[in-house]
Amino acid sequence: GQQLNQSPQSMFIQEGEDVSMNCTSSSIFNTWLWYKQEPGEGPVLLIALYKAGELTSNGRLTAQFGITRKDSFLNISASIPSDVGIYFCAGRPYSGAGSYQLTFGKGTKLSVIP
Amino acid sequence: DTAVSQTPKYLVTQMGNDKSIKCEQNLGHDTMYWYKQDSKKFLKIMFSYNNKELIINETVPNRFSPKSPDKAHLNLHINSLELGDSAVYFCASSPLSGSGWFFGPGTRLTVL
Repeated sequence: GQQLNQSPQSMFIQEGEDVSMNCTSSSIFNTWLWYKQEPGEGPVLLIALYKAGELTSNGRLTAQFGITRKDSFLNISASIPSDVGIYFCAGRPYSGAGSYQLTFGKGTKLSVIP
Repeated sequence: DTAVSQTPKYLVTQMGNDKSIKCEQNLGHDTMYWYKQDSKKFLKIMFSYNNKELIINETVPNRFSPKSPDKAHLNLHINSLELGDSAVYFCASSPLSGSGWFFGPGTRLTVL
């Protein structure tokens, strides 16, 4: 099946620093989603991207849908302790039966040092 | 109001037992899913249902059987539980347009 390469796998940053993580795919996606998961909870949708080149913000979070449709990045500015968690990218294939399928990256575990 | 809910939150059972996990969504979405998250936090799709019809059935043992009594519910029944079934199972739903998948809080299954 399709695979998403998400990096970095983990990050330790100081409070106030900016964070950047990205995902790449070997195939085209028509939707990119970014999720955050906290311990004991389900993934929560942060940002959804639907068009190549789209740049969308949600507070201190900014994500972009790559022009090639094969990548996306998420930036977090001025990190705070509550940003701690695992961030997942997810992509939906371009068409067909697979368009019902959301493929996830392996996650970026973010730790923020106060 | 909870958008996607699952019960139970925790499930501890013996090997060989049969168990069910229930899921309900009140978002009016057309499609529901079951995902499995392993100990390394990798999320993998198991099943996808669209308007009570099975769309995707990944390489999941046939001991796992999803049942969708209506558009708002998708239950997961597991027969003859094995140690390797221990994981967190997430239900999710999305509209037909695919504009965002919404996840439930998860069910942590532990098989002893």
